[in-house]
Amino acid sequence: GENVEQHPSTLSVQEGDSAVIKCTYSDSASNYFPWYKQELGKRPQLIIDIRSNVGEKKDQRIAVTLNKTAKHFSLHITETQPEDSAVYFCAASRSNYQLIWGAGTKLIIKP
Amino acid sequence: DSGVTQTPKHLITATGQRVTLRCSPRSGDLSVYWYQQSLDQGLQFLIQYYNGEERAKGNILERFSAQQFPDLHSELNLSSLELGDSALYFCASSAGDRIQDYGYTFGSGTRLTVV
Repeated sequence: GENVEQHPSTLSVQEGDSAVIKCTYSDSASNYFPWYKQELGKRPQLIIDIRSNVGEKKDQRIAVTLNKTAKHFSLHITETQPEDSAVYFCAASRSNYQLIWGAGTKLIIKP
Repeated sequence: DSGVTQTPKHLITATGQRVTLRCSPRSGDLSVYWYQQSLDQGLQFLIQYYNGEERAKGNILERFSAQQFPDLHSELNLSSLELGDSALYFCASSAGDRIQDYGYTFGSGTRLTVV
């Protein structure tokens, strides 16, 4: 079945620096790739998504890039702030109603 | 408020017991998904219902069952509870089959503690 691998499992960066989280998917038919942010004890929330017909998407300090050939996509956060500290999950979907999730990355912003 | 309502927020029960978790999807959403998240773990997909019918099944134990009612709310039943069932249980909803078009919204979760 489809598998999504996410790296690193923990990422610690200095406040103001950039953070990059990478995911690799196995099913070449996957066509939708969302990213969710989960703060401690709270629900996961969608922060950005990308479809397979697009190579890059930006929303203020966050961006997602997709490389269909290599079957990987990445989340980029620039000018990190303390409120960016959270667990980030990537996911991939080939069907319209199922998401396959990565294991999550704990992002720590050091002051 | 995401519009997805989960009750109760917290539940403490003893091993061997049975509990029911409830989820009301956002108004108009037809799909309901259940997830289990153990401490410091990822999201484990359990089961999905679409307009009352089971659509997909993940790693759901035989001791667990779910259903979606005509009013589209869903219940997750957990029986013969074990200590390892302690986790945060999330419900998510989507307008239909097309996650890409409508998104996927989580409720605030039910924290189950088995003692």
